[in-house]
Amino acid sequence: SQQGEEDPQALSIQEGENATMNCSYKTSINNLQWYRQNSGRGLVHLILIRSNEREKHSGRLRVTLDTSKKSSSLLITASRAADTASYFCAAVPRAGGTSYGKLTFGQGTILTVHP
Amino acid sequence: DADVTQTPRNRITKTGKRIMLECSQTKGHDRMYWYRQDPGLGLRLIYYSFDVKDINKGEISDGYSVSRQAQAKFSLSLESAIPNQTALYFCATSLSGTGNTGELFFGEGSRLTVL
Repeated sequence: SQQGEEDPQALSIQEGENATMNCSYKTSINNLQWYRQNSGRGLVHLILIRSNEREKHSGRLRVTLDTSKKSSSLLITASRAADTASYFCAAVPRAGGTSYGKLTFGQGTILTVHP
Repeated sequence: DADVTQTPRNRITKTGKRIMLECSQTKGHDRMYWYRQDPGLGLRLIYYSFDVKDINKGEISDGYSVSRQAQAKFSLSLESAIPNQTALYFCATSLSGTGNTGELFFGEGSRLTVL
């Protein structure tokens, strides 16, 4: 089963609005990563949050992590049309288990930002 | 030049044909992965390799085989392609070792259509 499950599956907003995407995972993690995919292209790493961190910022991106709820959220502030893409979370399992080193992805959130 | 290169980028083939998708990387990473992406299903791990002598099955390895010819090369084969293997295939790499995050670096994808 997928480690990362994103919610919502699709999000449509106007330029300038904020976009929030949520992710849930199932096992203990070393870190959780968010990736972006432009249509039909390869995924690109956006931001990473470690299991001992609760919040992290990078430019217009803000990621939170709640390990007690096994959930994370990605906030994109002041969205732009160029932010239109699919966004995926990926959980990196904690070392020592059979899943260590394997990132598994959810179905992603399709974000559409209208000019 | 791209750090992770996949060939071919697009391929149309017929049921029963043998297909090989190739991946090469110049990042010097030891870990390589093959993922498959289908609409609505996100990315699913087919096979992964943590070094040249290490090959592991992922979530959906049936119908696929891989070969790690060198640290920089990891190929995916479909011995007898079937229509439900029509998908977008991604190769990815990562670096192992203490302190490394497991961040994946993706190729641009190989779109395979099986008629």
